[in-house]
Amino acid sequence: EDQVTQSPEALRLQEGESSSLNCSYTVSGLRGLFWYRQDPGKGPEFLFTLYSAGEEKEKERLKATLTKKESFLHITAPKPEDSATYLCAVQRLGSGGYQKVTFGIGTKLQVIP
Amino acid sequence: DAGITQSPRHKVTETGTPVTLRCHQTENHRYMYWYRQDPGHGLRLIHYSYGVKDTDKGEVSDGYSVSRSKTEDFLLTLESATSSQTSVYFCAIKGTGSTGELFFGEGSRLTVL
Repeated sequence: EDQVTQSPEALRLQEGESSSLNCSYTVSGLRGLFWYRQDPGKGPEFLFTLYSAGEEKEKERLKATLTKKESFLHITAPKPEDSATYLCAVQRLGSGGYQKVTFGIGTKLQVIP
Repeated sequence: DAGITQSPRHKVTETGTPVTLRCHQTENHRYMYWYRQDPGHGLRLIHYSYGVKDTDKGEVSDGYSVSRSKTEDFLLTLESATSSQTSVYFCAIKGTGSTGELFFGEGSRLTVL
């Protein structure tokens, strides 16, 4: 069974205090690992897709990295507007050709001014 | 903006009543999905569609049915709502690029009393 575990569940940072969120996964035949951002009362917003170990993607203060067992979302010098819940998801090929996606519960990030 | 509209955004209903949630997209995407999001659980797939009148079950499909008679509309029906179906429901479409990311609507919050 595919599993995605995100840690910590919640993280409180001072503005400018860099940190990392972790996503550990177990999946057979990874077809992609996704990071999403979700603001309260909103739907998840796509951030990155990573496909293979060693791959990195960057967007503003965020950088996502991937190993064979986990992914990290590094947040450099965060600002209050980075406060959100960050979701990790893994994709593999399911039965019948369906691309099965499994989501983690998320890490709730709060950045204090 | 992926052009996804969900309706209603909020609904309170009583146990045993039928409920239909609507997802409307404006960009002619082939793949559409219905997820539910509950505390302590990642997003879980209810049903998905890969074309007009082509639908299939996800991991938590019991008690739900779907229909897609037009490309732009994907309906989720709870034939007889139960309190366990109290949740936030998200519609998503699959991007047309090769990265496989999902684009989500704003969500529909359903409370079953």
